[in-house]
Amino acid sequence: ETGVTQTPRHLVMGMTNKKSLKCEQHLGHNAMYWYKQSAKKPLELMFVYNFKEQTENNSVPSRFSPECPNSSHLFLHLHTLQPEDSALYLCASSQEGSGHSPLHFGNGTRLTVT
Amino acid sequence: GENVEQHPSTLSVQEGDSAVIKCTYSDSASNYFPWYKQELGKRPQLIIDIRSNVGEKKDQRIAVTLNKTAKHFSLHITETQPEDSAVYFCAASKGYNTDKLIFGTGTRLQVFP
Repeated sequence: ETGVTQTPRHLVMGMTNKKSLKCEQHLGHNAMYWYKQSAKKPLELMFVYNFKEQTENNSVPSRFSPECPNSSHLFLHLHTLQPEDSALYLCASSQEGSGHSPLHFGNGTRLTVT
Repeated sequence: GENVEQHPSTLSVQEGDSAVIKCTYSDSASNYFPWYKQELGKRPQLIIDIRSNVGEKKDQRIAVTLNKTAKHFSLHITETQPEDSAVYFCAASKGYNTDKLIFGTGTRLQVFP
């Protein structure tokens, strides 16, 4: 299934680097999400974009900066990260506006901050 | 806000046995309860969901039950197979959008042949 694609699959970066994660959905959905998945923790919602407008920002540190140029693309810009930011970052999309819609996840980017 | 607790964190069963995973939620206004399966190295995928207007839903070997009074819901897998081995996440939300989903911590299910 190639509905939601994320690049890169793996990323190693130093604390002073700047990098970006990319997500693209080919499902025609109108909402996109960034989730953080850490070991033994629930999936944590970071950002939500609905019709390209950011609707949720769950107290995420400013070193994470999302960008949604259109309803098919979503970026997560990273700068001056901390080692505890190492995790799997999952992008997802859904079709909102007519009741609950399943989240379609990408394969994630495994981020390691050294 | 909503809080979802999931038990057990790990579960090992013999092939052919049944497996049950339980979740409790705190917000009585929650009305949507999906379950996601994440195989090793793969993305989470929706396997079944239930809305608050029904008490049980089945899809082949998988069923979900909901007890609104007690605020808990469970995933039941019958006749387990090795390919059922994965991490299972429950979630809960209220309203009409998916952007308010709160996930449980996950259950690692291992099915031994």
